[in-house]
Amino acid sequence: DVKVTQSSRYLVKRTGEKVFLECVQDMDHENMFWYRQDPGLGLRLIYFSYDVKMKEKGDIPEGYSVSREKKERFSLILESASTNQTSMYLCASIARDTSSYEQYFGPGTRLTVT
Amino acid sequence: AQKVTQAQTEISVVEKEDVTLDCVYETRDTTYYLFWYKQPPSGELVFLIRRNSFDEQNEISGRYSWNFQKSTSSFNFTITASQVVDSAVYFCALSWAGGGADGLTFGKGTHLIIQP
Repeated sequence: DVKVTQSSRYLVKRTGEKVFLECVQDMDHENMFWYRQDPGLGLRLIYFSYDVKMKEKGDIPEGYSVSREKKERFSLILESASTNQTSMYLCASIARDTSSYEQYFGPGTRLTVT
Repeated sequence: AQKVTQAQTEISVVEKEDVTLDCVYETRDTTYYLFWYKQPPSGELVFLIRRNSFDEQNEISGRYSWNFQKSTSSFNFTITASQVVDSAVYFCALSWAGGGADGLTFGKGTHLIIQP
């Protein structure tokens, strides 16, 4: 069974803290993604990665960075958390060569920055 | 730029009614892919369907059906004989030629409430 896991379901951090959100997939997928979900705004792409050490900016990369040191793991980093980064964060992965084009999503991390 | 519009923020129907969720998209690409995802209260997105721009055949899967019309840039989703378990947020999404491998552009979602 395919699996994308995220390190925490709920996280509370203080303004200015450095925050790491971890995502791991066990499907040997090349492409991984971080989205942010906010009420009334849907999901918006923050960053994605085609391969180890590769990264590409999505639609809203400001205030975030990412790290992909191993194929199965994709980390989202908030260098200095701010209250406007309170949101639900969703990780996804997909095989580069696929006929289904289905992105597999993790359960999400609900981050609150106080 | 790509854009997906789901004009219906929330729909509430009584169980067993049919309901259609609208999706209108904008893209300059001639090859693109359209998706529907379901997000139940548990939060995890569940893939429902993918359509490519060259395939305008309607699709039916049990109580679910999808109507893709390039002429109106729409990809609507109908649930027949709705059930309480269909209550969820439904997202329509669009991808360019990468087929989803380069990320998806999502609509804002439609919150569907099925009342018993």
